[in-house]
Amino acid sequence: DTEVTQTPKHLVMGMTNKKSLKCEQHMGHRAMYWYKQKAKKPPELMFVYSYEKLSINESVPSRFSPECPNSSLLNLHLHALQPEDSALYLCASSQDRGTSGGAGRETQYFGPGTRLLVL
Amino acid sequence: AQKVTQAQTEISVVEKEDVTLDCVYETRDTTYYLFWYKQPPSGELVFLIRRNSFDEQNEISGRYSWNFQKSTSSFNFTITASQVVDSAVYFCALSGSGTASKLTFGTGTRLQVTL
Repeated sequence: DTEVTQTPKHLVMGMTNKKSLKCEQHMGHRAMYWYKQKAKKPPELMFVYSYEKLSINESVPSRFSPECPNSSLLNLHLHALQPEDSALYLCASSQDRGTSGGAGRETQYFGPGTRLLVL
Repeated sequence: AQKVTQAQTEISVVEKEDVTLDCVYETRDTTYYLFWYKQPPSGELVFLIRRNSFDEQNEISGRYSWNFQKSTSSFNFTITASQVVDSAVYFCALSGSGTASKLTFGTGTRLQVTL
């Protein structure tokens, strides 16, 4: 089963709101990713978790706060966002062979995304 | 630094035509991985294929085929007898083999298949 689920599908929030995006996978993958995708652009990597530890932060503003409570779950907490943060937020997961191989070579499986609109 | 170029921004074909989506990549790694993803209007990125740099065999999966040529740093994707359901944005992507390697995406090619 190559399924990654994301909730909610759509989210509208004001600039003073606090909200969270949720991602879940049950493929036994140990690497999980957050991407941001603007219209007509490719996905941009935000964060990578490897074995529940943050391994890559692509200089993302602190108003985005990731969390990996366990190997199946990945959250993205949102606070004080700006209208330019409106985008499709995609979660992905992949195998991670740790120090013997890592996650870079592995296939990433993506969820359906959350379409976020910040007013 | 890694780079993926998809020079075709948009392609429009009539159903049943064959269409080839081009992908050219740049990397200094000797071991690397190439991917194609499909993104329909719903938004989800659907994995199509993964190819490592040591395997230059072409691959066919139904109406889809891929032509990997290291000599020209290209990994082109052909859809035979295109269908309306093939309408989507297609991304070519590249990754190195290191533990911290990231997926580098091309800018995507939007394919429109009409009746």
